[in-house]
Amino acid sequence: EAAVTQSPRSKVAVTGGKVTLSCHQTNNHDYMYWYRQDTGHGLRLIHYSYVADSTEKGDIPDGYKASRPSQENFSLILELASLSQTAVYFCASSDATIQAPLFGEGTRLSVL
Amino acid sequence: SQWGEENLQALSIQEGEDVTMNCSYKTYTTVVHWYRQDSGRGPALIILIRSNEREKRSGRLRATLDTSSQSSSLSITAAQCEDTAVYFCATSSSSFSKLVFGQGTSLSVVP
Repeated sequence: EAAVTQSPRSKVAVTGGKVTLSCHQTNNHDYMYWYRQDTGHGLRLIHYSYVADSTEKGDIPDGYKASRPSQENFSLILELASLSQTAVYFCASSDATIQAPLFGEGTRLSVL
Repeated sequence: SQWGEENLQALSIQEGEDVTMNCSYKTYTTVVHWYRQDSGRGPALIILIRSNEREKRSGRLRATLDTSSQSSSLSITAAQCEDTAVYFCATSSSSFSKLVFGQGTSLSVVP
């Protein structure tokens, strides 16, 4: 069964600390994405990748880095977490044929 | 922004009623995705309509796309309590599905 697994599911971080969110997909998809959702709003694209060892900036990349070490894994890194990065983060994967991303369950990040 | 008027809204209807949610977009798009998001879950694709289609049906769902007015709608027939969720439209303008999401509609279906 197609799946996108995110870890952790929730995290509390301190301002200025480093945070790494992980995503693993078993769908054999080439494309992976990181989205951010703020309460009561839609999702906004942070970074994406269409092949291992390569990442691209999305619409709101500032303050975030991404890493795609393999086809299955895609990480989002906050080097210096800030209060404004408190949000729910979603990872997704898709292939070129269907082009409809399959989303994970999300990671709720609170920066204090 | 990809989006025209904000389409964030909250709708409350009774079970058995029909409901239509609308979204409009400003830039060229080849595909409109409609996702539903249950509380505490990730978005899940429910219907996808391409620019060469005017209407798409899936069970009680019906999506329309009017490329001339750059708008899309999602209708649910005979809504049920389990249809309660937030519904998002999202557009893609290329073969690579870098989706741009709208604000969403929070639908509440009450008995």
